[in-house]
Amino acid sequence: AQTVTQSQPEMSVQEAETVTLSCTYDTSESDYYLFWYKQPPSRQMILVIRQEAYKQQNATENRFSVNFQKAAKSFSLKISDSQLGDAAMYFCAYRGSNSGNTPLVFGKGTRLSVIA
Amino acid sequence: ETGVTQSPTHLIKTRGQQVTLRCSSQSGHNTVSWYQQALGQGPQFIFQYYREEENGRGNFPPRFSGLQFPNYSSELNVNALELDDSALYLCASSLIMGPGELFFGEGSRLTVL
Repeated sequence: AQTVTQSQPEMSVQEAETVTLSCTYDTSESDYYLFWYKQPPSRQMILVIRQEAYKQQNATENRFSVNFQKAAKSFSLKISDSQLGDAAMYFCAYRGSNSGNTPLVFGKGTRLSVIA
Repeated sequence: ETGVTQSPTHLIKTRGQQVTLRCSSQSGHNTVSWYQQALGQGPQFIFQYYREEENGRGNFPPRFSGLQFPNYSSELNVNALELDDSALYLCASSLIMGPGELFFGEGSRLTVL
């Protein structure tokens, strides 16, 4: 079974600085999807960024980028120019390539605080 | 385009009771899945529905059951509630053959006393 590990229960960052959240996963599949979701106090899971395993290029979405190391099974999230609104729980998630029928497997999350 | 909506947002039940949670999928999505998120944990997969049939299930007992309707809305039913069922229940919708991401509602917070 696939597992996702987030080793940092809590992180903090100064406003306008850069922070990196770590995620490792375990799978025997060669093709899959990886995601970072943000969960603010409003509780709704919001997709931050997505990476297809077959793509070597790291995904970027504005201030958010990932460092995807397939051989190391590592998928870290970098937030640049941190803003107060970035404060939230961040979950790393894995989904198998048979995307129609496989669930998301989540890590336990990292709580990010942004200091003004 | 409407997003995923869930009701109720909060509810309190007592042990042994039954509860029904409801979800309206995002417009155009044909698959709905349910997740349980205990306090301080990541969401855990309960089950998924496609074309009104369950087509995937996590490690949850049979007292967790669901329905999907022709308009792709869904219900999660939990019978014989236990204290450990207290959690945030998240509904997510997607396309069965899409790029993989799920779109979530704001969840239903269930407290079992």
